[in-house]
Amino acid sequence: QSALTQPASVSGSPGQSITISCTGTSNDIGDYNYVSWYQQRPGKAPQLLIYDVVKQPSGISNRFSGSKSGNTASLTISGLQADDEAAYYCASFTSKYTWVFGGGTKLTVL
Amino acid sequence: EVQLVESGGGLVQPGGSLRLSCAASGFIFSTDWMTWVRQAPGKGLEWVANIKQDGSEENYVDSVKGRFTISRDNAKNSLYLQMNSLRAEDTAVYYCATLDYYEYFGYWGQGTLVIVSS
Repeated sequence: QSALTQPASVSGSPGQSITISCTGTSNDIGDYNYVSWYQQRPGKAPQLLIYDVVKQPSGISNRFSGSKSGNTASLTISGLQADDEAAYYCASFTSKYTWVFGGGTKLTVL
Repeated sequence: EVQLVESGGGLVQPGGSLRLSCAASGFIFSTDWMTWVRQAPGKGLEWVANIKQDGSEENYVDSVKGRFTISRDNAKNSLYLQMNSLRAEDTAVYYCATLDYYEYFGYWGQGTLVIVSS
């Protein structure tokens, strides 16, 4: 049950777009479309941003979008805003009927 | 409005036990898979366990198998995590969350802190 691999940090300027990758294996991301993304601000609980690879829950800005290719999923944030500064986590269902998260990516808005 | 409120965290010695609770409201508790996710201080999220709607199926991360037990009481709209043989590495904020359609963690509580230390 190794964690999915995410970059430790990414940064971007307001208005720009950034992409966070999440790499797994054929036993999780590669074989299932149960990939989700979460935003976590300091001292707060995580919040669902994207589910089933590409779907958005109601109330989430369409500046957040998800995709997947092979064993790697990605979260793209367009029109970067200062308020987007937070930690982002991916998660996936696995072939062992368990769940695994990525190590998390800290986004800095310059 | 969906609300999940965890309780039961605290300081416990290595080898000790603790029982976490999560009180749910604002949705039909008995129709959702439920899960526990933890986060060690300054670290990332780690899925711990989940339980089926009727309690007939449970799954655990390898590191807690045989030590932790997830359970639920649908009549009380409550989720539990019995933690035995606690270790220092179990120190974390424990979140309860819904596992919507067995696909994603839709709603989260605010978490309860467990510290395992002598």
